[in-house]
Amino acid sequence: DTAVSQTPKYLVTQMGNDKSIKCEQNLGHDTMYWYKQDSKKFLKIMFSYNNKELIINETVPNRFSPKSPDKAHLNLHINSLELGDSAVYFCASSGSLAGFGEQYFGPGTRLTVT
Amino acid sequence: DAKTTQPPSMDCAEGRAANLPCNHSTISGNEYVYWYRQIHSQGPQYIIHGLKNNETNEMASLIITEDRKSSTLILPHATLRDTAVYYCIVRVNFGNEKLTFGTGTRLTIIP
Repeated sequence: DTAVSQTPKYLVTQMGNDKSIKCEQNLGHDTMYWYKQDSKKFLKIMFSYNNKELIINETVPNRFSPKSPDKAHLNLHINSLELGDSAVYFCASSGSLAGFGEQYFGPGTRLTVT
Repeated sequence: DAKTTQPPSMDCAEGRAANLPCNHSTISGNEYVYWYRQIHSQGPQYIIHGLKNNETNEMASLIITEDRKSSTLILPHATLRDTAVYYCIVRVNFGNEKLTFGTGTRLTIIP
């Protein structure tokens, strides 16, 4: 059983399009995150949700809109895609029992904008 | 979150212990030391964390100096599958705080 899953694994699209990435965790965690890893391999937090409420928003352009329908899912919708959005996007989750520093990451979604 | 300093790269022979150092001289009293690794193209993987005592789990050992200004992650018997980028992160262990990843140490296990 995959603990944190993301779909799709690869996403190739053109500038200006709108796309979504889905994330699901079956760990019973109440906090979920989105991270972005750019071409230089820097890994940076974008958003964090706790029990469906936004906790962290790291000055991400408002073209990026996370949506959490329930605490097991955190989807990322991106409007008007730009070349600079090309990156690998990782979803993660954590729970209060293990401590919030112990985060479990998904396999990543490689987004390529042409 | 306190800043950490790690060597950019290290090599280790297969079967030997890999010792990865991390400096965190500005760590606060309530901040823990966390270690993650990222194997090529995969999501980061939690390894271990500690506050001030040495910690050991099935993956690694964490040695934190008495003044807590530095630590060492030890992989006791490195295998080729341990080749990865290793990140040392300090942060509090409560609340929904982010993980701030630095540049890490690229560990290469040599056959």
